[in-house]
Amino acid sequence: EPEVTQTPSHQVTQMGQEVILRCVPISNHLYFYWYRQILGQKVEFLVSFYNNEISEKSEIFDDQFSVERPDGSNFTLKIRSTKLEDSAMYFCASSPVRSDGYTFGSGTRLTVV
Amino acid sequence: AQKVTQAQTEISVVEKEDVTLDCVYETRDTTYYLFWYKQPPSGELVFLIRRNSFDEQNEISGRYSWNFQKSTSSFNFTITASQVVDSAVYFCALSDLGTSYDKVIFGPGTSLSVIP
Repeated sequence: EPEVTQTPSHQVTQMGQEVILRCVPISNHLYFYWYRQILGQKVEFLVSFYNNEISEKSEIFDDQFSVERPDGSNFTLKIRSTKLEDSAMYFCASSPVRSDGYTFGSGTRLTVV
Repeated sequence: AQKVTQAQTEISVVEKEDVTLDCVYETRDTTYYLFWYKQPPSGELVFLIRRNSFDEQNEISGRYSWNFQKSTSSFNFTITASQVVDSAVYFCALSDLGTSYDKVIFGPGTSLSVIP
């Protein structure tokens, strides 16, 4: 069964450093998303991406965050200057059409120290 | 505004018991989608079902069934003859026209423990 692949599975970074979380969505999907889940809390929407541009973003997704699809397969989330409160599990997801059931990746656990 | 409520924070059942996880949603739109996701202890999010607002037919998939009732804005999930492998956090979620369907709003989740 096709999968969304996320790397790395766990990243530890120092506060203030830049991190890039990587995702390879399912190849024929057109819609891409990032969500995050702070430990023990609900899953929160960050951003959606379609046709090489952001289609919607949440209040969480401020100027410190950016997304990119640098080639035909990767979809990345960059956090420019990490804060302690950015520590969370970050999930990438993709879907073939809008509002379809997403396929989520297995997540990247980001720990900011 | 959109909202998803899962009033049961934690549920424990003994294996083979049936269990129903409640989900109540709020939306102003007439067209919307409802979802259930499972998050096992390993942490990934597993898609279980999508239901659109025009389809009130109940769905059964093996031991899983879903009861969608627009009159009470509920989309409840029942596991029949529960098994230890069903132990997970279950999230109900909603997307609607107000969010351009781009954003899925998750409920807080219900943590299910199935005891052998």
